[in-house]
Amino acid sequence: DTEVTQTPKHLVMGMTNKKSLKCEQHMGHRAMYWYKQKAKKPPELMFVYSYEKLSINESVPSRFSPECPNSSLLNLHLHALQPEDSALYLCASSHEPGDDQPQHFGDGTRLSIL
Amino acid sequence: AQTVTQSQPEMSVQEAETVTLSCTYDTSESDYYLFWYKQPPSRQMILVIRQEAYKQQNATENRFSVNFQKAAKSFSLKISDSQLGDAAMYFCAYDLQGAQKLVFGQGTRLTINP
Repeated sequence: DTEVTQTPKHLVMGMTNKKSLKCEQHMGHRAMYWYKQKAKKPPELMFVYSYEKLSINESVPSRFSPECPNSSLLNLHLHALQPEDSALYLCASSHEPGDDQPQHFGDGTRLSIL
Repeated sequence: AQTVTQSQPEMSVQEAETVTLSCTYDTSESDYYLFWYKQPPSRQMILVIRQEAYKQQNATENRFSVNFQKAAKSFSLKISDSQLGDAAMYFCAYDLQGAQKLVFGQGTRLTINP
């Protein structure tokens, strides 16, 4: 069982749709991450939240909008996505920002853009 | 910029045998952490083992051990007594102390032959 829960597991959406990905952890972790992973490639960091504040944005297009409503929850709002945005989106968390403890990953949301 | 190189895109091993996955990295920093993660078809990234750069002793976790050569910037993973459940994509990752960014290698797909 994963300690980081991501919903939905699969999402198919059109380029004009608005949808959100959700990530939840109850380990008391104060750092949360979004990654994008294309097939047969390593994960690529998108965003980092430290104590519910955005600390790193890896030049991600504005059609991806992250949100951290509280210390347990991380959302990724999607709007006007492109076919090349189809990928596995992984959420992760770690104990404290910058403490170099391992990141714990969720199972991911597989996103397909029509 | 830090880079991580895994020179073996694919490896295979007979069940119960030992296999070693290679990883090299490039950094000018002295304080960092290294990780091996496995990603089975279930998609979740699972931590296998972690090594602090300041520790000379190689990390071990049950059947998994590393050969950490700091001067050579090498961090290989040895899996002993391979089991069918070890089949997965294995990613080597580098974490500069305090940076909150995992830099992944391209991955090695490990197949276990019964």
